[in-house]
Amino acid sequence: QSALTQPASVSGSPGQSITISCTGTSNGVGTYNLVSWYQQHPGKAPKLIIYEDTKRPSGVSNRFSGSKSGNTASLTISGLQAEDEADYYCCSYAGSSTWVFGGGTNLTVL
Amino acid sequence: EVQLVESGGGLVQPGRSLRLSCAASGFTFDDYAMHWVRQAPGKGLEWVSGINWNSDGTDYADSVRGRFTISRDNAKSSLDLQMNGLRAEDTAFYYCAKGACRSTSCSVEYWGQGTLVTVSS
Repeated sequence: QSALTQPASVSGSPGQSITISCTGTSNGVGTYNLVSWYQQHPGKAPKLIIYEDTKRPSGVSNRFSGSKSGNTASLTISGLQAEDEADYYCCSYAGSSTWVFGGGTNLTVL
Repeated sequence: EVQLVESGGGLVQPGRSLRLSCAASGFTFDDYAMHWVRQAPGKGLEWVSGINWNSDGTDYADSVRGRFTISRDNAKSSLDLQMNGLRAEDTAFYYCAKGACRSTSCSVEYWGQGTLVTVSS
């Protein structure tokens, strides 16, 4: 159950697009179409923004999109807004009913 | 509206036990798997344990296997986590979380606000 690898921080200006990567092993990210992404503001509970690699829950802005290639999943946020400033975590099914999270990425909107 | 309310956190000495509970409402509890996820203060998220809709499937992170036990009571719409042999590294906010389907192999989709467990002498 090794943690997924995410950049510690990313930044972008309002209106720009940013991408956060999430790299795992072949028995997790690359095997199952079960990567999810969560947004967490300080002092708040995480919120699901992407599930099953690319799907967006109802009510989540279409500025958030997910993709995957091999063992690397990515979250792209387009048209950055101040309220997007938060921590972002990827999570992948790791088999045998277990899950593994990435270390988290802090997004700063400049 | 989905609501998950955790309780039972607090300060506990190393080696002792603590039982967390989660009261669920706003959805048909026995139609969904449930999970516990923790977050050490200032650190990232760590999946701890999951249980499927009818309790016949449970699993644990390596870091807690053999010490923690997850259980649910569908009649009461409640989820528990029995934590034994607590260690300093178990100090964290513990979140109760709802899965997206009956199996623990679906994403976590809703989270409670968390309860803080502090393990210290």
